[in-house]
Amino acid sequence: DAGVIQSPRHEVTEMGQEVTLRCKPISGHNSLFWYRQTMMRGLELLIYFNNNVPIDDSGMPEDRFSAKMPNASFSTLKIQPSEPRDSAVYFCASRDPLSDQPQHFGDGTRLSIL
Amino acid sequence: GQSLEQPSEVTAVEGAIVQINCTYQTSGFYGLSWYQQHDGGAPTFLSYNALDGLEETGRFSSFLSRSDSYGYLLLQELQMKDSASYFCAVRAITNYGQNFVFGPGTRLSVLP
Repeated sequence: DAGVIQSPRHEVTEMGQEVTLRCKPISGHNSLFWYRQTMMRGLELLIYFNNNVPIDDSGMPEDRFSAKMPNASFSTLKIQPSEPRDSAVYFCASRDPLSDQPQHFGDGTRLSIL
Repeated sequence: GQSLEQPSEVTAVEGAIVQINCTYQTSGFYGLSWYQQHDGGAPTFLSYNALDGLEETGRFSSFLSRSDSYGYLLLQELQMKDSASYFCAVRAITNYGQNFVFGPGTRLSVLP
């Protein structure tokens, strides 16, 4: 079975540019999570969706960040405009909310804003 | 709110046993998970405890005491490949429903 798929794996761009990160959850997993990981702040939950609906976006740092889940098999996290402090590894994870099964993480996107 | 505490670093030698502790404060609690993350990799699931007691999976065991808001991960017969960061995560109730909150992580270094 395919795991959580994220793209791109690496992104380097200049500040002020728009960045779009993509995630395909495991089929049948109706909960999807976006995390950001940095050395200083650890693993932070940005937003999560249940059945394509955003449930908790309290971790989204500011209005420059937005996330969508137009269908059960695809989600995006967008940063516009990007800033150097957004440099981090962004993980997407999914799980079946009706079970005790854990979250499964994608390989992450390593984002560098110059 | 939710908060978790773990030691920041632990060092041990190959073949030894190491215990990584996790204490938590949550407004609601369903269970405690442990994840392993190698440098440059993604967190991968190790174990989950919803009830008090010890869960054993090969060389790794996890313990939970709900009354003490405490759990630990026990790694036996340490191998070099066990060098990684280990995160505890609570499955808890937030203002928005159920969620997972991760601890700050413990970096384990296994020495030859």
